[in-house]
Order: sequence, then C-alpha cells, then structure tokens
Amino acid sequence: DAKTTQPPSMDCAEGRAANLPCNHSTISGNEYVYWYRQIHSQGPQYIIHGLKNNETNEMASLIITEDRKSSTLILPHATLRDTAVYYCIVRGRGQNFVFGPGTRLSVLP
Amino acid sequence: KAGVTQTPRYLIKTRGQQVTLSCSPISGHRSVSWYQQTPGQGLQFLFEYFSETQRNKGNFPGRFSGRQFSNSRSEMNVSTLELGDSALYLCASSFSGGSTDTQYFGPGTRLTVL
Repeated sequence: DAKTTQPPSMDCAEGRAANLPCNHSTISGNEYVYWYRQIHSQGPQYIIHGLKNNETNEMASLIITEDRKSSTLILPHATLRDTAVYYCIVRGRGQNFVFGPGTRLSVLP
Repeated sequence: KAGVTQTPRYLIKTRGQQVTLSCSPISGHRSVSWYQQTPGQGLQFLFEYFSETQRNKGNFPGRFSGRQFSNSRSEMNVSTLELGDSALYLCASSFSGGSTDTQYFGPGTRLTVL
C-alpha cells in the first residue's frame, strides 16, 4: 500500500501557483519524498525529490515540514500543460516505488 | 541523452497467447523496473532487475516474468494472456536503484487482450 495520502483532485487557474499537498505521517528517517506526474497515457515524469530540506529545480519546489509528516509540491506558474495526475511517493533504501491514486490537477484557462 | 525506450508501443493479442515487451534503459543505467497500469488498480510494481538479476518482485502471478541482458536491456514476458492483462506496461530505469536514485520512465507499451 502507498504510504502517502493526497487529495483526489484539485483545480488551479492558469498563471497561478499550484500547491499540491501530501501527507506521509508514517515516514521513516531514511525515506525520501518523490514527486512524479503523469500526463494522460504517457509514462510518469520525474519532478523532484527530497529528504528533509526544501528543494527547488526548474520545474517545481518541494516544501517538507519540519516533522517530515507532510509536504507540498509547488508549481509556481501553472500552465495548461501542467494538467496531469501528480503522485507523491515515499521511498527508502531497497524499497520499490509504490504509486497511490495521486492528485488529478486541472489547470483552468 | 536518449530516454527510456519501449517497444512495441501498441500490441493486440488474444487470450491464451503470450507476449514479450522490450525496454532499453538510459545509457549507463543498470536498474530496470517494470510496472503495470490499469484503470482499476493504478500503477503496480511488477519486478526490478539489476545486473541481470531480479532484485525485487511485486505481487503478480508467475505468468509474468522478465529478464535483463548484459547491456541492461530488459524484456518482460506474459504467458497465457487473460483479458485482465490489458494494461499500459511501463518500464523505468535508474542508475543503480538506490534510495536516492531517480527512476525515469519510458512511454509504455499498451497491451490489449481480446
């Protein structure tokens, strides 16, 4: 079973920031938080990952709470092409990637 | 760098047949994982190969098998196909499969079983 809980769907206006939450209250100290997204019928695309510090790359920012029990993926300026299912995954050493149902983000014009 | 490639992209088979899917990882990647994605069950892990050895296996029947070659290319085989095997089969590669290793996915093979 997935170790994360995400809202099933969210809407975001084009050009605004999209903030996607993820709960992982049972995360262990050596487990990383990964985010992927999947645009309809394509392979999942890696976005970002982190352990305990906030991370930023050209696609998004990842904010992890101090207790590491939750995180937020931020897409700073959402575009229509960001419409996708977003998966938050917790993974440790020797573990597989376990995908939950994710959050279906709809970016609206 | 070329991404993960999967062949064929689409496949139609009938019940009882067998099928072989192929995955070429990113150059330098030695770990290859396979996933099945269906509308009802979502993305489910099938197995992982590293250095030609199966390192991890998901909860699938023995009809699902795989192998990895010395050049890290991988194949998965499904024997005695059932209607429920209709799915998008995804392959992902990573450098070594470690906990900080990022997996990169291919476009998938869509298998339809009639």
